[in-house]
Amino acid sequence: GAVVSQHPSWVICKSGTSVKIECRSLDFQATTMFWYRQFPKQSLMLMATSNEGSKATYEQGVEKDKFLINHASLTLSTLTVTSAHPEDSSFYICSAPRWGRGAETQYFGPGTRLLVL
Amino acid sequence: AQTVTQSQPEMSVQEAETVTLSCTYDTSESNYYLFWYKQPPSRQMILVIRQEAYKQQNATENRFSVNFQKAAKSFSLKISDSQLGDTAMYFCASNYGGSQGNLIFGKGTKLSVKP
Repeated sequence: GAVVSQHPSWVICKSGTSVKIECRSLDFQATTMFWYRQFPKQSLMLMATSNEGSKATYEQGVEKDKFLINHASLTLSTLTVTSAHPEDSSFYICSAPRWGRGAETQYFGPGTRLLVL
Repeated sequence: AQTVTQSQPEMSVQEAETVTLSCTYDTSESNYYLFWYKQPPSRQMILVIRQEAYKQQNATENRFSVNFQKAAKSFSLKISDSQLGDTAMYFCASNYGGSQGNLIFGKGTKLSVKP
C-alpha cells in the first residue's frame, strides 16, 4: 500500500519557539495533502489543505499565520507551528490522497506528537 | 452541512465473536466514498475498508464487511471472528465531493476485544 511518512514523530519544545513537521509521500506524488489535528480521545479535525504550487486553504478558526504550510514538491508538505504555546500541544497527522483500484483513498502519516512546555 | 455520525462511543466483544459498528451520514452529494479507518494505540490511521457510493454491492475485506444502505444513509462495519488485535478506535469517514477532497470523520467508536 501507499506510504506516507512524517518527521519528527515526537517533539518537545519551549514556549515561543517554532516547530516544523514534514509530511512525505514515499511512493506516489500528491498535489494535495491534508493536515489534521487530534486531541486525546477525540476525532481528527481538518486544519488545512496543502496545495502544491499554490497557497494552502485553511479551515475556519485555524490561524494561517500560526500554522504555516508549504507544499514544496509533489512529495513534501511541511507544517510549521510558529511561536508555539502549550495550547498547541497536540497530535498532528497528515494525509495524502492516492488513486488505486478505481477509487481515491487517503493514506495517513504516523503522526507527530507535539508537547510545548 | 455534511456530517458523519457514530453513536456508539464504546463497544466490547469477545474474541472470535462478531460485532457491528454503526455509522450514519448526511450529504446532498451524489458522488462520494465512505471509509472505515482503524486507529490502534500507536495512533497510526489504517484503512480498513472502502465503499464507493455508486456501487450497490457491499464491500468486503477478509473479516471486515460493510452494510451500505444508501437510502437510509447508513454505513455499518461488521467484524467477524474478532481478534485481540482488532482492539482500536474505529472512525467512519467520507470524502464528499469525490476527488482530492478531505475526509470528514465521525467521533469514533472505541472497540475492545476481550479474551
